[in-house]
Amino acid sequence: DQQVKQNSPSLSVQEGRISILNCDYTNSMFDYFLWYKKYPAEGPTFLISISSIKDKNEDGRFTVFLNKSAKHLSLHIVPSQPGDSAVYFCAASAREDFNKFYFGSGTKLNVKP
Amino acid sequence: DAGVTQSPTHLIKTRGQQVTLRCSPKSGHDTVSWYQQALGQGPQFIFQYYEEEERQRGNFPDRFSGHQFPNYSSELNVNALLLGDSALYLCASSMGQGNYEQYFGPGTRLTVT
Repeated sequence: DQQVKQNSPSLSVQEGRISILNCDYTNSMFDYFLWYKKYPAEGPTFLISISSIKDKNEDGRFTVFLNKSAKHLSLHIVPSQPGDSAVYFCAASAREDFNKFYFGSGTKLNVKP
Repeated sequence: DAGVTQSPTHLIKTRGQQVTLRCSPKSGHDTVSWYQQALGQGPQFIFQYYEEEERQRGNFPDRFSGHQFPNYSSELNVNALLLGDSALYLCASSMGQGNYEQYFGPGTRLTVT
């Protein structure tokens, strides 16, 4: 069962514009969410996270929004840069199961110069 | 400071054989998690080792087993390989249990023929 879903396999954005990557989850027990970025031939790299007690977390050009009622989170990248081109995974974890992370299938972002 | 390292990089095995993958955690990290990433999917949690014991396990059969050594390095063993075991196997390390910030290695690409 896919508890974390990323329904857009790919996204193409012009340099300087906003990139919005979406993620949905089904398990209401999830209380911590993370975004990872993955370049080819490398492991995923932690990007940004958010706890369920918050609805927004910012780190430079990256902002994650969490809508608990809709079980939806999104990652905003502003402004997008060509170096942001990568596969982005969202992941979720539940407090009582905190060692176990559930990942979405990823969205491949292409930022065009 | 070396990050997470994994060996080998690539591996080709025949159905029914056994395989051992190795992981050295980032310096200072004592917890190792293993993930399986099939083509076009996100990483799936296999298990986590802390203090040389398996602490959490995902939905993987007993054919998947592991070990953690006193120096915190870890092995993943898969017995009676199936074609469906073909995937990228990722190792992630963290400092202590319950630490959401995991560092991933580049992975081992296993092909079962």
